[in-house]
Amino acid sequence: NAGVTQTPKFRVLKTGQSMTLLCAQDMNHEYMYWYRQDPGMGLRLIHYSVGEGTTAKGEVPDGYNVSRLKKQNFLLGLESAAPSQTSVYFCASSYAFNYEQYFGPGTRLTVT
Amino acid sequence: DAKTTQPNSMESNEEEPVHLPCNHSTISGTDYIHWYRQLPSQGPEYVIHGLTSNVNNRMASLAIAEDRKSSTLILHRATLRDAAVYYCILTTLRSNYKLTFGKGTLLTVNP
Repeated sequence: NAGVTQTPKFRVLKTGQSMTLLCAQDMNHEYMYWYRQDPGMGLRLIHYSVGEGTTAKGEVPDGYNVSRLKKQNFLLGLESAAPSQTSVYFCASSYAFNYEQYFGPGTRLTVT
Repeated sequence: DAKTTQPNSMESNEEEPVHLPCNHSTISGTDYIHWYRQLPSQGPEYVIHGLTSNVNNRMASLAIAEDRKSSTLILHRATLRDAAVYYCILTTLRSNYKLTFGKGTLLTVNP
């Protein structure tokens, strides 16, 4: 099992550009999550999904969109990147809420 | 929402036990206590969680105070690989048991 994988690992964007981060899991988990982590801080939840075709807002959803067209994939989109979105992005999945979350290796995004 | 308080940093020696404290004085009866850790340049990793009783697994033990206002994560024999930021997190029914990360405790393990 690969667990949770994230693509790409690194990316540099210019302000105003768009991009999509891909998260994939092979554990047949229903729940998937996107977090961001800024330097010296804990993780903050951006969006999450409780099943295929569903998405919900987390703590810091502004400036991001998500889609869960297939159970194993959870996409995070930035339509118009801003320097404030420079961060490390982590995807996670779990069987349900209150079950252990499995995290991916992260995507380091820099917006100049 | 109930919050947790952890020391910013702790230090330990290799092969000695480590006790990482967490205070959560406003915990409610349906709140679970979770511990995750994050090694440098990696995503967080689940360690252990519990509700009322002490819990053991292959990684660690979780000791929960009788009044549940505090808990302690115990690493029985610290290794260099245990150097990480440890997060104590309460998951609450009100927030559908979602994880909310604080700043955690940075554990340094000396050889």
